[in-house]
Amino acid sequence: DAKTTQPNSMESNEEEPVHLPCNHSTISGTDYIHWYRQLPSQGPEYVIHGLTSNVNNRMASLAIAEDRKSSTLILHRATLRDAAVYYCILRDPRNAGKSTFGDGTTLTVKP
Amino acid sequence: DGGITQSPKYLFRKEGQNVTLSCEQNLNHDAMYWYRQDPGQGLRLIYYSQIVNDFQKGDIAEGYSVSREKKESFPLTVTSAQKNPTAFYLCASTVQGAWAEAFFGQGTRLTVV
Repeated sequence: DAKTTQPNSMESNEEEPVHLPCNHSTISGTDYIHWYRQLPSQGPEYVIHGLTSNVNNRMASLAIAEDRKSSTLILHRATLRDAAVYYCILRDPRNAGKSTFGDGTTLTVKP
Repeated sequence: DGGITQSPKYLFRKEGQNVTLSCEQNLNHDAMYWYRQDPGQGLRLIYYSQIVNDFQKGDIAEGYSVSREKKESFPLTVTSAQKNPTAFYLCASTVQGAWAEAFFGQGTRLTVV
């Protein structure tokens, strides 16, 4: 199974953009890249996903490298409510049930 | 409102007892999943089911059992064979497809006393 690597922690100031990186050098050509975030003692929440092209939604943007070996989740203006653990995972269409969550990146947002 | 519900939120179990965690969804999703989360760590897959009456082991299935008799329900039993069951358990569901967004429940925190 393809694995992802993320920094353990990152800090940001409120109202500034945040770029959360994810490396997935063993990604296969058909793996989808998903991002979730989790607040303490809650279930993860979907943020965004993509395959090859960059994606935007109301929560964030996803920038995918041309070779797909890395991606970046972009929060355009961090708020205190964005403080969470962010997970980057890969989903393989051949076995979508076996997605692996790493330890994620803990984002701290400073007022 | 559609969603995925886990119960109970907190559960205490004596050593040597089996306990069953409930997970129900009304999203009409085919696939359901169980994860375990230990403090400061990510989610680890216990079992998953992509269709009724079928399920597969995940990475840490030992000491756990599941059933999928109805599309809406995917209960997890933590058996006495699970050596260290104290953890936060999360249930999720999706439609079929690797592009599909996963919906998570709010979790059950199990403590062995």
